[in-house]
Amino acid sequence: QKEVEQDPGPLSVPEGAIVSLNCTYSNSAFQYFMWYRQYSRKGPELLMYTYSSGNKEDGRFTAQVDKSSKYISLFIRDSQPSDSATYLCAMSVVRSNDYKLSFGAGTTVTVRA
Amino acid sequence: DAGITQSPRHKVTETGTPVTLRCHQTENHRYMYWYRQDPGHGLRLIHYSYGVKDTDKGEVSDGYSVSRSKTEDFLLTLESATSSQTSVYFCAIRTGSSPLHFGNGTRLTVT
Repeated sequence: QKEVEQDPGPLSVPEGAIVSLNCTYSNSAFQYFMWYRQYSRKGPELLMYTYSSGNKEDGRFTAQVDKSSKYISLFIRDSQPSDSATYLCAMSVVRSNDYKLSFGAGTTVTVRA
Repeated sequence: DAGITQSPRHKVTETGTPVTLRCHQTENHRYMYWYRQDPGHGLRLIHYSYGVKDTDKGEVSDGYSVSRSKTEDFLLTLESATSSQTSVYFCAIRTGSSPLHFGNGTRLTVT
């Protein structure tokens, strides 16, 4: 079993819809949670990160962490065609001398105009 | 791309040949990482470095070696390339307390 599970999709939604993405994890030591967006033929770019359980908002994006259930989510409101990309969740156990991330496989999202 | 340059961007090589990929950063960040990305597996850590000449293995390090003789450069070497090493390779840096920032990748095909 992988440490981080993420439904690969693909997910197709109409413009303006809410996109809901999620990951589950098995390592209860994970403390740091991130979402990356990756456009085709590009490197992943950081969208949001948090240490805490609960919700964190940034514009149209909301990241949600539930440590008790080992479950994280990303919501995209008022989705746009420019949001079409692969979304990767990532998490880590923060130590002093390394910073190794464990990634989900990524969910491919298409927003239809 | 947080000042990260990966070279080459694309490479096709034959089984059994040595290959070196380069990651160059324009700032003096201490931590640098090499990941590979394959369908269904996401990104997996190969090796990382926490300073000049200081490196350690990741989860998929077999068949790979790294070197870091200068802060700005982190090299990944496949001593004898195999078809299973066909992948997209990403370099990443850690900028202070922020999460990792990635380069735009090297697409490697081993025939």
